[in-house]
Amino acid sequence: KNEVEQSPQNLTAQEGEFITINCSYSVGISALHWLQQHPGGGIVSLFMLSSGKKKHGRLIATINIQEKHSSLHITASHPRDSAVYICAVSLGGNQFYFGTGTSLTVIP
Amino acid sequence: NAGVTQTPKFQVLKTGQSMTLQCAQDMNHEYMSWYRQDPGMGLRLIHYSVGAGITDQGEVPNGYNVSRSTTEDFPLRLLSAAPSQTSVYFCASKLLAGGYNEQFFGPGTRLTVL
Repeated sequence: KNEVEQSPQNLTAQEGEFITINCSYSVGISALHWLQQHPGGGIVSLFMLSSGKKKHGRLIATINIQEKHSSLHITASHPRDSAVYICAVSLGGNQFYFGTGTSLTVIP
Repeated sequence: NAGVTQTPKFQVLKTGQSMTLQCAQDMNHEYMSWYRQDPGMGLRLIHYSVGAGITDQGEVPNGYNVSRSTTEDFPLRLLSAAPSQTSVYFCASKLLAGGYNEQFFGPGTRLTVL
């Protein structure tokens, strides 16, 4: 049973395209996290949100608590955005559930 | 602030060998954890600690041992390495207070067991 489901699993886009990655979850959460992992690199946190929408540069994250769904949008995509994007949810204690990741490749 | 550091970055072991993966953080975080990342699977929790002297098992603890003698350090020991332990290992830390806290990850250790 996967508490966190992401789609798509793989995504290829042309530079400049608008990108959307989706995340659905099945448990009650304290917060939803979007993480970024570059090839061969560590994992960094992009967003942590429990309601509404957050924006950082060209990245936008939204969450709909009622529908248990979140989206990560990238506007004007660039090859340096190529990475694996991981959705994770944190519960009331210290427990986290992670999605399997979306591998994004942006072609120049 | 170095954040979360891990050593080594890469390691190759033979079946049956033991080794320790090191993890340290300088953010005074109470909560520290070890995850493994395998292809096609989400990060899975191996062991975690909520403070010095306190550790507990996660989802996949078999074959691993941990200790937390200080707030800063949280080493992961492989007792007798097996090929099934080939994986990328991440250490992470955060403040203890519940789910609305960001986790900070180390750079990872890529382990191959032959």
